[in-house]
Amino acid sequence: DADVTQTPRNRITKTGKRIMLECSQTKGHDRMYWYRQDPGLGLQLIYYSFDVKDINKGEISDGYSVSRQAQAKFSLSLESAIPNQTALYFCATSDHRGNTGELFFGEGSRLTVL
Amino acid sequence: GEDVEQSLFLSVREGDSSVINCTYTDSSSTYLYWYKQEPGAGLQLLTYIFSNMDMKQDQRLTVLLNKKDKHLSLRIADTQTGDSAIYFCAEIFYNQGGKLIFGQGTELSVKP
Repeated sequence: DADVTQTPRNRITKTGKRIMLECSQTKGHDRMYWYRQDPGLGLQLIYYSFDVKDINKGEISDGYSVSRQAQAKFSLSLESAIPNQTALYFCATSDHRGNTGELFFGEGSRLTVL
Repeated sequence: GEDVEQSLFLSVREGDSSVINCTYTDSSSTYLYWYKQEPGAGLQLLTYIFSNMDMKQDQRLTVLLNKKDKHLSLRIADTQTGDSAIYFCAEIFYNQGGKLIFGQGTELSVKP
């Protein structure tokens, strides 16, 4: 089983719909992140959380919200999806006690907004 | 600002060496990273270099760091078709809680 699990893996929705992407981890890490990947733009940080009570905006947080329900769960919501939010979304985790700051990624959630 | 720059594409022949380049912005970054993304998968850490090093070698991989120019490179010797992937450079911003900022990714295509 994957250490960082994202659901759903693929989702097609319509403009204006509310969408939630979920992430859960079994690594026991305290830090969790949401990135989106667009061709030619690389990975852009949407939100990150260093513990359950800590939520921070990343580079491109407009149009998104997050919830850290527990140390192991971090969900990303699009309140009213729009076509330019079509992208591949990645959840990642890290451990603040780690020496190198390495991130561990889920396999991605591909979202298409029509 | 926070900006990590990479060229988008590189094509090499099997058996040749590949060199992927990256420029970064934060001179205080302690670690710089290379992540690999295979088709349909998430990113995995390939290698990293500590900022007090100029070079790190790990089997077919060589990482070179030029702190004066804020330039990082990844050399893959004897490139194989299995090395075809997207390679991301990343730096860590300790003054922002240790978040990682990634470059655009370089798509490496290895032709037989």
